[in-house]
Amino acid sequence: SQTIHQWPATLVQPVGSPLSLECTVEGTSNPNLYWYRQAAGRGLQLLFYSVGIGQISSEVPQNLSASRPQDRQFILSSKKLLLSDSGFYLCASAAVAGVREQFFGPGTRLTVL
Amino acid sequence: EDQVTQSPEALRLQEGESSSLNCSYTVSGLRGLFWYRQDPGKGPEFLFTLYSAGEEKEKERLKATLTKKESFLHITAPKPEDSATYLCAVQAQYKLIFGSGTRLLVRP
Repeated sequence: SQTIHQWPATLVQPVGSPLSLECTVEGTSNPNLYWYRQAAGRGLQLLFYSVGIGQISSEVPQNLSASRPQDRQFILSSKKLLLSDSGFYLCASAAVAGVREQFFGPGTRLTVL
Repeated sequence: EDQVTQSPEALRLQEGESSSLNCSYTVSGLRGLFWYRQDPGKGPEFLFTLYSAGEEKEKERLKATLTKKESFLHITAPKPEDSATYLCAVQAQYKLIFGSGTRLLVRP
């Protein structure tokens, strides 16, 4: 079964500072990878997804970017954080073939002050 | 446009009081409907996948059912440890479209 790791677990950053969140996946090869943001009491908003190394699709124009330097590594970045970037960031992984239930990591709580 | 709507937003039950959560969806060509459980401060935990109308799946006190327009998550004789947010999602190509969830509180 898949295991998704995310770090850091929590992060407090000042406005205008850079951001790098990392996600790594174990137990599967060539997965589809996803970054979501969840605001307090809200549903999951898909930010980026990737079907392979170097292949990134953006769902929402914003202050963030994503990269996939290795098959099972997915990185979420920002050059300058905004207050509105605060939230709970989740990485998810899904098998390539068939119906693709997604498995989620433990999340990163980001607070921008 | 693909869309998922969950109701109610919040539900309070007494321990042992059975109830159902609703997930209504519109999607062009359903390829899968998913239920997740999310505890505060944690990532969603996968519960079920349903593929076609009429299908049912069970896990402990939970049973998920699917029709052509909606899915129900039935909770039988819930316990306080069933308290969580339950999320529903449908598959649209590479992506899952999530509802906003139902927050369930089960009081002892």
